Amino acid sequence: KAGVTQTPRYLIKTRGQQVTLSCSPISGHRSVSWYQQTPGQGLQFLFEYFSETQRNKGNFPGRFSGRQFSNSRSEMNVSTLELGDSALYLCASSVLAAEVPYEQYFGPGTRLTVT
Amino acid sequence: DAKTTQPPSMDCAEGRAANLPCNHSTISGNEYVYWYRQIHSQGPQYIIHGLKNNETNEMASLIITEDRKSSTLILPHATLRDTAVYYCIVRVKGAQKLVFGQGTRLTINP
Repeated sequence: KAGVTQTPRYLIKTRGQQVTLSCSPISGHRSVSWYQQTPGQGLQFLFEYFSETQRNKGNFPGRFSGRQFSNSRSEMNVSTLELGDSALYLCASSVLAAEVPYEQYFGPGTRLTVT
Repeated sequence: DAKTTQPPSMDCAEGRAANLPCNHSTISGNEYVYWYRQIHSQGPQYIIHGLKNNETNEMASLIITEDRKSSTLILPHATLRDTAVYYCIVRVKGAQKLVFGQGTRLTINP
């Protein structure tokens, strides 16, 4: 079974621009979460989508948004980029099951550099 | 989610068992202990999880104390490829959000 894929793997943008990152979950996984990783703050939860609905959101400004499509693929968008948005953006997918704990499978990440 | 405390770094000789401790003294009865690791510049990788019983899989063993206030991840025969940052996370069964701490940077030495 193919793993979580993220595109692009590397991206360089300029301050003020906007960017869209894409994530394809493992086949059959309906929940997709996004995380930001920086040297200073570590790994931080951005948001989680299930059935095209955002169910959980981390403590990030409104410039960070996302969506999920009917095939469970997800995109996240960052508008008006700031230098501090330079980070590794990770996507994770999981099976959603109410009665058993489940693990999240992470993709390789998208390395975003804002100049 | 309960907070976890891990040593910032550890060293282990190749071929020996690596024992990574984690304190989670405020863990609730419905919170599970999860372990992930992150090899440099890759996405975190799930290792193992448990509630109160010891668990073992092909990657590692998880030992949870009887009072559940601490746990130990054991890599039985560490290899150089086990060099990574190891994260101990506690979370409620149905919660999607993973709260990562700073983790333990484990270095396996030849």
